[in-house]
Amino acid sequence: EAQVTQNPRYLITVTGKKLTVTCSQNMNHEYMSWYRQDPGLGLRQIYYSMNVEVTDKGDVPEGYKVSRKEKRNFPLILESPSPNQTSLYFCASSSGETQYFGPGTRLLVL
Amino acid sequence: AQSVAQPEDQVNVAEGNPLTVKCTYSVSGNPYLFWYVQYPNRGLQFLLKYITGDNLVKGSYGFEAEFNKSQTSFHLKKPSALVSDSALYFCAVRDSSGTYKYIFGTGTRLKVLA
Repeated sequence: EAQVTQNPRYLITVTGKKLTVTCSQNMNHEYMSWYRQDPGLGLRQIYYSMNVEVTDKGDVPEGYKVSRKEKRNFPLILESPSPNQTSLYFCASSSGETQYFGPGTRLLVL
Repeated sequence: AQSVAQPEDQVNVAEGNPLTVKCTYSVSGNPYLFWYVQYPNRGLQFLLKYITGDNLVKGSYGFEAEFNKSQTSFHLKKPSALVSDSALYFCAVRDSSGTYKYIFGTGTRLKVLA
C-alpha cells in the first residue's frame, strides 16, 4: 500500500531532550516536507526537500533540523525542544504537485 | 510573498444544500492551488488542484472549485452537502515560478447539519 508513515505517533518529552521524528514513504517520491499544525494557524511548512541531500527552509524552520540521506526517509530533528514546539506534526511527500500526508505526530514538550 | 486567506473559521450548512468554502490567495507568479480535507484524528487528504487550463476543477467526493484570476480566489463548492462532508478544509498555494514552498490557509471547519 502506498503510504507515508511517521513514528512515533504520540510523544511526551521534556524541554531540552533531543528527539527525532521519523518519516518514510514507499512511493519513490522526490519531494518531501514537514509541517506543523496549530489551532488558528493552520499548517505551516518547516522544511522541505527536493531530493536526496537537497533541503530548504520553509516558513518556520527555527529550532528544527532535517536530513535527506535516502530518498524514502526524511527525519525531523529537534535538538533542544521547547514548550512552543508542542504541536501536531505532519510529513508529506509528492512526485508532482499533489502531496500525500502521513497520519501525524502529536508532540507535547513539558 | 505568498499568502492564503480563508476568511471563515466555520461554515454551517444544511444537508442537501449547496456549500461554498472561500479561499483567496496572493503569489507573485502563476499559482498552483489546492484543497485538502482533514477528518478528525487523521492526516490531510487531497481533494483537488488547479495547475493550468479550465478554471473549473472537479475533484474527489463531488467537490469542485473555480479559479478566478481577477479576484485571486479559489472557492470550494459542492452542489449538495452530506453530513459526512463535515471536516476541516484547507486551501493551499504554491508559486509556479521559483521556490517549492507551500502556504496553507488557517482552515475552515465545515459543519453539515442533518
